[in-house]
Amino acid sequence: AQSVAQPEDQVNVAEGNPLTVKCTYSVSGNPYLFWYVQYPNRGLQFLLKYITGDNLVKGSYGFEAEFNKSQTSFHLKKPSALVSDSALYFCALGQAGTALIFGKGTTLSVSS
Amino acid sequence: DSGVTQTPKHLITATGQRVTLRCSPRSGDLSVYWYQQSLDQGLQFLIQYYNGEERAKGNILERFSAQQFPDLHSELNLSSLELGDSALYFCASNVLAGSTDTQYFGPGTRLTVL
Repeated sequence: AQSVAQPEDQVNVAEGNPLTVKCTYSVSGNPYLFWYVQYPNRGLQFLLKYITGDNLVKGSYGFEAEFNKSQTSFHLKKPSALVSDSALYFCALGQAGTALIFGKGTTLSVSS
Repeated sequence: DSGVTQTPKHLITATGQRVTLRCSPRSGDLSVYWYQQSLDQGLQFLIQYYNGEERAKGNILERFSAQQFPDLHSELNLSSLELGDSALYFCASNVLAGSTDTQYFGPGTRLTVL
């Protein structure tokens, strides 16, 4: 069965430090992986996706994600966190013919 | 702004009632998805329509139904509402029905059932 796991409910980081939000997946076949961000009282905003090709994917607002097939992971990263990055982050998995399966979400808190 | 619109933003109603949530996809998008976000269940896929036809079903209750109209807007109907139906309901759209195509989400409708 397909699944997505975000092992951390919350990640705390100081402004200016690098951040990582973790995501692992389980799927048979090729995974299509997405990251979305949700700010309070807002909808989900697309950050980036991995379909095929380069394992390092660059997205919006300086975020990037590294696809690792052997570890079945797709961690979201940013070299230098901003207070405005504080939000709820979702990893999602898609496969041909299916809708997205979302992880439970990770709350990122960036302190000044 | 994703280009996906949803109305109303907030809806407060009583148990046993019926409500209709509306979604207009981005211009040019043929596929519409409905998701429910709740504290205990997280984000769950409900149903997908593509160019007016039902394409896929997820964890949608029998009390819930949806449709996509010729102008491609979609409505989600929730009936015999229960307290547990209180949640944030999102609509998303994309051009194709395939899962490699990015889904763009609307701002959501917050439903409160009292």
